[in-house]
Amino acid sequence: GQNIDQPTEMTATEGAIVQINCTYQTSGFNGLFWYQQHAGEAPTFLSYNVLDGLEEKGRFSSFLSRSKGYSYLLLKELQMKDSASYLCAVKRVDSSYKLIFGSGTRLLVRP
Amino acid sequence: DAEITQSPRHKITETGRQVTLACHQTWNHNNMFWYRQDLGHGLRLIHYSYGVQDTNKGEVSDGYSVSRSNTEDLPLTLESAASSQTSVYFCASAAGGTGELFFGEGSRLTVL
Repeated sequence: GQNIDQPTEMTATEGAIVQINCTYQTSGFNGLFWYQQHAGEAPTFLSYNVLDGLEEKGRFSSFLSRSKGYSYLLLKELQMKDSASYLCAVKRVDSSYKLIFGSGTRLLVRP
Repeated sequence: DAEITQSPRHKITETGRQVTLACHQTWNHNNMFWYRQDLGHGLRLIHYSYGVQDTNKGEVSDGYSVSRSNTEDLPLTLESAASSQTSVYFCASAAGGTGELFFGEGSRLTVL
């Protein structure tokens, strides 16, 4: 089986940095995605990690440790528009393009 | 621009009725998926397809069916709608490579 855990909610201040963690337990791990989802909208792709390390993309960075079953999404210089849910999703080597999602972390950015 | 569209965006139906949610993509992706999203559960996979005439069950497939007669469309059918199927339904497609999913805007279904 598989298990993906994320905090349910987080709150941060505009301009600050926030780290959203995701831990997973799955056999045949083959990559991890982060998606952003604003209320009432579709999820949109943020990042993909398959190797250990940090991937930086503008204000957003994503880190993966395969040995620890751990990833985080780092958001810098927070803006009000970053208030959204952030979804962690795992891909398995035996499941081709089928993703398994965590329950998501709802981030509230306050002025 | 290529896109993925769902219809209807909102639907209210009664228990026992058959309902079909449409999904149409112009990305020419072979891989298509249906997820449902409920509070506390995140996105759960219902059915998926890796090409024409290919369909597979996901983790919550009971009460749902799909068909894939062409590359562009993967309609989702609820044979006999139940109140437990009240949810937001997302269709997605993926090309090869990393398998990044592109999502439709969602269909909100209420079963009374």
